[in-house]
Amino acid sequence: NAGVTQTPKFQVLKTGQSMTLQCAQDMNHNSMYWYRQDPGMGLRLIYYSASEGTTDKGEVPNGYNVSRLNKREFSLRLESAAPSQTSVYFCAGDRGVGYTFGSGTRLTVV
Amino acid sequence: GESVGLHLPTLSVQEGDNSIINCAYSNSASDYFIWYKQESGKGPQFIIDIRSNMDKRQGQRVTVLLNKTVKHLSLQIAATQPGDSAVYFCAEIGGYQKVTFGTGTKLQVIP
Repeated sequence: NAGVTQTPKFQVLKTGQSMTLQCAQDMNHNSMYWYRQDPGMGLRLIYYSASEGTTDKGEVPNGYNVSRLNKREFSLRLESAAPSQTSVYFCAGDRGVGYTFGSGTRLTVV
Repeated sequence: GESVGLHLPTLSVQEGDNSIINCAYSNSASDYFIWYKQESGKGPQFIIDIRSNMDKRQGQRVTVLLNKTVKHLSLQIAATQPGDSAVYFCAEIGGYQKVTFGTGTKLQVIP
């Protein structure tokens, strides 16, 4: 039982490159979330998915897209990476009593 | 307490002592609160929660206190251990299940 698994753990991108951050959960969560964590700021919601096949924007969605193809997987895509997207990204599932977070992806855009 | 500055506030505690970490929340309508622990290089981990109809809840070595009058939440850790070293932050859940996370306090346990 791995909980919420994120890949990759680390990534360096050049400005303008694209990539997809993967997230998979084995806890049967309906709702899943993508957050970014920056120094001195609380976790900020990028996108969320209340159920399979549905997605909604969060607080900071610009420059990102998401896909919830099935209940287990919720991916985050950066189409054209910018230095402002350098951050640590966390995927989470709603366990009904708070969230279960993945271990994070540390992304650097140069 | 928590800060919006670039540097996290740090609480240094001697091993074996009790720790108290504070959080000021913003929305008086928030009805559910959670404390998370985040160790270096890891994702946040649920510690304890409390609903707004309670003012105190105890777990194993941890206690959360809620003062709705001044919108203040605290996390008390009894007999602090080196493994408690981490960043702790609160989350408030309000209307439409909107979750707002605090910026965190770094707890350093001195052996």
